[in-house]
Amino acid sequence: DAKTTQPPSMDCAEGRAANLPCNHSTISGNEYVYWYRQIHSQGPQYIIHGLKNNETNEMASLIITEDRKSSTLILPHATLRDTAVYYCIVSRMIYNQGGKLIFGQGTELSVKP
Amino acid sequence: EAQVTQNPRYLITVTGKKLTVTCSQNMNHEYMSWYRQDPGLGLRQIYYSMNVEVTDKGDVPEGYKVSRKEKRNFPLILESPSPNQTSLYFCASSLKRGSDTQYFGPGTRLTVL
Repeated sequence: DAKTTQPPSMDCAEGRAANLPCNHSTISGNEYVYWYRQIHSQGPQYIIHGLKNNETNEMASLIITEDRKSSTLILPHATLRDTAVYYCIVSRMIYNQGGKLIFGQGTELSVKP
Repeated sequence: EAQVTQNPRYLITVTGKKLTVTCSQNMNHEYMSWYRQDPGLGLRQIYYSMNVEVTDKGDVPEGYKVSRKEKRNFPLILESPSPNQTSLYFCASSLKRGSDTQYFGPGTRLTVL
């Protein structure tokens, strides 16, 4: 699976959009980009995933560049409860081999009042 | 409520005393797995199960056993715990094989003295 690079930490003001970047320059054509977050030692929480097109759900938006070498997770109106470590993961869906997620170090997002 | 539950949430034990950490999901998921999380090493997969009676090793299986006798349960067994197994453990499940949209339990913090 392709490796990802994320900034170790970011700050965001409450109520503003949080834009978390991720580089995955070695991504291959059948690999998806997933985002998870972990709030202070709780179980990681799935946020969103995408292949080529931009995606949006009730939690966030995912913007993937046309060459797919980078992506940005957008939390449109960050709240204090969004303070967490955010993981960008690139993974193939291999039907018969399960879904091992390889978590890197992630970005520690601090949302400040 | 759809969820993955783990018990116990906290455990302090001594070297060599067999223990079992239970994991249960109520979403009829086929795929289940165990991860451990250590500072600086991120989350690493221990074992996974594609379905009932089908289990396989992840990246760090040494010192652990698992079983999948029922679809909803996936216990993690430490036959002879050692201090290097002190860690935060997470169980996860997903609807189908190959899906990386995984739901994580709340975690079990294990200390082996």
